[in-house]
Order: sequence, then structure tokens, then C-alpha cells
Amino acid sequence: DADVTQTPRNRITKTGKRIMLECSQTKGHDRMYWYRQDPGLGLRLIYYSFDVKDINKGEISDGYSVSRQAQAKFSLSLESAIPNQTALYFCATSGGPLEQFFGPGTRLTVL
Amino acid sequence: ILNVEQSPQSLHVQEGDSTNFTCSFPSSNFYALHWYRWETAKSPEALFVMTLNGDEKKKGRISATLNTKEGYSYLYIKGSQPEDSATYLCAFIDYGGSQGNLIFGKGTKLSVKP
Repeated sequence: DADVTQTPRNRITKTGKRIMLECSQTKGHDRMYWYRQDPGLGLRLIYYSFDVKDINKGEISDGYSVSRQAQAKFSLSLESAIPNQTALYFCATSGGPLEQFFGPGTRLTVL
Repeated sequence: ILNVEQSPQSLHVQEGDSTNFTCSFPSSNFYALHWYRWETAKSPEALFVMTLNGDEKKKGRISATLNTKEGYSYLYIKGSQPEDSATYLCAFIDYGGSQGNLIFGKGTKLSVKP
């Protein structure tokens, strides 16, 4: 079984809809991250959490919110999706700055 | 603003060619540099984590070097194979501005033709 899982893997939605992307990990890590990948732009950090009570904005948090329901779960929400949020979204976990493990990605399309 | 630059943006080589690409990063407050290999439709996979100036790491035909004083790292692939086709990402961490988070470059996309 994969250490970091993401659901859904693919999602097509319409402008204005609320969308939640979920991430679960079995590695026992405290740190969890949400990234967005756009063609030609690399991975950009949306939000990160160093433990259940800690939530921090990353480079591009506008239009997104997160919830750390438990050590193992970190969800990303788009309250009102817009087309320029069409992207590949990755969740990641780490036990420290010298490692980071990525989930398989969620491809989101906003029409 | 911390900036990580990778060059070239893309690279097309023939099977058997050796190749290399560059990651440039701020040279102050250096903590670590990561290299990842990312195939389409898969998760980025960690290749190397480098922390010391002069570090050299090797995994099979892939190796990397690190110069923290001048702020660059090279990734080398010897005798490229079609299965090496992927995007290679580097990511930098410093002691200060990145708050311990990875700052990624935009990647170098490698295509190896049989």
C-alpha cells in the first residue's frame, strides 16, 4: 500500500463549485504539505502543517483553505473553484527537512 | 524572495549520450538541496539530498555534485536510457526565509530517444 494517498485522482468540476481534495499518510509524519504544479512552473507550496494544531500559508494560498483533521489527514479545499485553479495537486509528508514523500497527485480541471 | 533556477528547461538526447543539468540557488544560509525525478502520472521520487559543500552522491548512472559557496548543483546522467526520460526537479532549503520548506525550481525535462 502507498504511504501517501490522495483522493480523488482526477476531478472535473465547474466554476463556483466547492471542491475538497483529501490526503492520507501512513508514515507517521507530523509535517504535511499541499503543492500545486502548473506546466513550466514547477511545484509551488499552497499550505503546510507541522502538526495537527499548526496551519501555515505557503506561496500561493489565496483561494484555498486546509484542514488537518488528524496527524494522518490533511485536506485542501477550493471554496469556489475558478478555471485558473486547473492544475495538478500534490500532497507530501515529511519527518524533517531532509526528506519529503509525495502522493500520486490529483488532476483537477475547472471548467 | 528565494529563487531556484534550473537549466536547461528541456533537453533531448539520444540513447547512450551522457548529459548534465544545473540547479542554481541562493548561497547564503544554505541548509540542504534535494533532487527529485518525476515521471508523468507518477509521484516525484527523491534521488538525492545534499547538505555539505563538495558533496557528491551517486545512484547507478546518476550522480550529483554540490557547491554551496557559489550556489549550484549539477546532476549528471551517464549513458542515458529511454527510461531516464522524466522531469528532474531540484529543491532548496535555507535556515531562514524558506521556513524549512522546499523551494522548487521549475525542472529540467529530459527526453531520451532510442
